[in-house]
Amino acid sequence: ETGVTQSPTHLIKTRGQQVTLRCSSQSGHNTVSWYQQALGQGPQFIFQYYREEENGRGNFPPRFSGLQFPNYSSELNVNALELDDSALYLCASSPGTWTDTQYFGPGTRLTVL
Amino acid sequence: DAKTTQPTSMDCAEGRAANLPCNHSTISGNEYVYWYRQIHSQGPQYIIHGLKNNETNEMASLIITEDRKSSTLILPHATLRDTAVYYCIVRVANNAGNMLTFGGGTRLMVKP
Repeated sequence: ETGVTQSPTHLIKTRGQQVTLRCSSQSGHNTVSWYQQALGQGPQFIFQYYREEENGRGNFPPRFSGLQFPNYSSELNVNALELDDSALYLCASSPGTWTDTQYFGPGTRLTVL
Repeated sequence: DAKTTQPTSMDCAEGRAANLPCNHSTISGNEYVYWYRQIHSQGPQYIIHGLKNNETNEMASLIITEDRKSSTLILPHATLRDTAVYYCIVRVANNAGNMLTFGGGTRLMVKP
């Protein structure tokens, strides 16, 4: 167990809706990254937050947005859901942007109908 | 970050060594080789990383060729719990954004 928790475990939404996913980082970690993993593929980097500021972004549209709070917990928000947004969403925390190892949570399985 | 090539799948007998290869022929001098694995329905788990010297920890050994164009992850005594997808990733340490670029990985099946 990494100490990174995510909620909810599973979620079902319909196309066009909005969703918020939550991540609680491992104690002492000030950096959180979010990844999207479609079925049968490797995780794809969405963005990273370091001390409440976005610190890097992958090739995802602006309807994917995030927040990091002073306690370093984080949210991923997705607006105007599309069917292709159905995936496992993973967050990973690390003690800094410079560190080698990221600690992943178990993920949230999002299904868009 | 350099791209990697891994076999899609491999089998290994329980108790035997599992040797997972990875090609990274375009690796740069400042890029490290990382290995993560993902057991079904879980998030990826860090295994090991190295620059040019062989590395060993409680989970595995990492052998990097002298020209650094390929590497092998070795699980010395595979168990059924080692069944997972193994990802080989090359990246610059200390890079801003600290992102990991995952490929398709190798699906390792450990059989009794």
